[in-house]
Amino acid sequence: DAGVIQSPRHEVTEMGQEVTLRCKPISGHNSLFWYRQTMMRGLELLIYFNNNVPIDDSGMPEDRFSAKMPNASFSTLKIQPSEPRDSAVYFCASSFLKGGDTIYFGEGSWLTVV
Amino acid sequence: GQQLNQSPQSMFIQEGEDVSMNCTSSSIFNTWLWYKQDPGEGPVLLIALYKAGELTSNGRLTAQFGITRKDSFLNISASIPSDVGIYFCAGFITGTASKLTFGTGTRLQVTL
Repeated sequence: DAGVIQSPRHEVTEMGQEVTLRCKPISGHNSLFWYRQTMMRGLELLIYFNNNVPIDDSGMPEDRFSAKMPNASFSTLKIQPSEPRDSAVYFCASSFLKGGDTIYFGEGSWLTVV
Repeated sequence: GQQLNQSPQSMFIQEGEDVSMNCTSSSIFNTWLWYKQDPGEGPVLLIALYKAGELTSNGRLTAQFGITRKDSFLNISASIPSDVGIYFCAGFITGTASKLTFGTGTRLQVTL
């Protein structure tokens, strides 16, 4: 079975450029999560969608970050403009929230902003 | 964000040894998840626990959901080199996956 698919796997960009990260959740899952992982802060939830609707975006750092989920099989996380402190691994995860929740992660998008 | 207390932070063990790690929380959870993250990869779900006192195995891995619902344990028996990685616990109240809280991770190194 296909897991959560993320792209790109690696991206190096210059400060000020726009970055778009993409995610395809596991088919049939109704919830999608964007996490950021850094050495200092570990795994942090950025935003959570349920049935394509953003439910909790309290973890989004600032207005430079935005996320969309136009349909059940696709989501994007955009950073505009990017800054060096945005360098991190960004994970997408999905789940079917119906009790006994389990959350499955993609392989991550490794972002470096120089 | 909030994190669970996970210990030990790191372990160096010899191949064949058993490994134990645990997570404690000030909050009660009714779902505990254990993940392993290999270098350059995303966290992979190892074991999910849904009931206080539950003991679940997955091959050489065994995890337990603490009776108090505030802790969980992961044991690895007869460790092998491919067990190297970072192990994370995570907990939440069922139905509130957005409130998933992660442990700080246990970095496991296995020597021959």
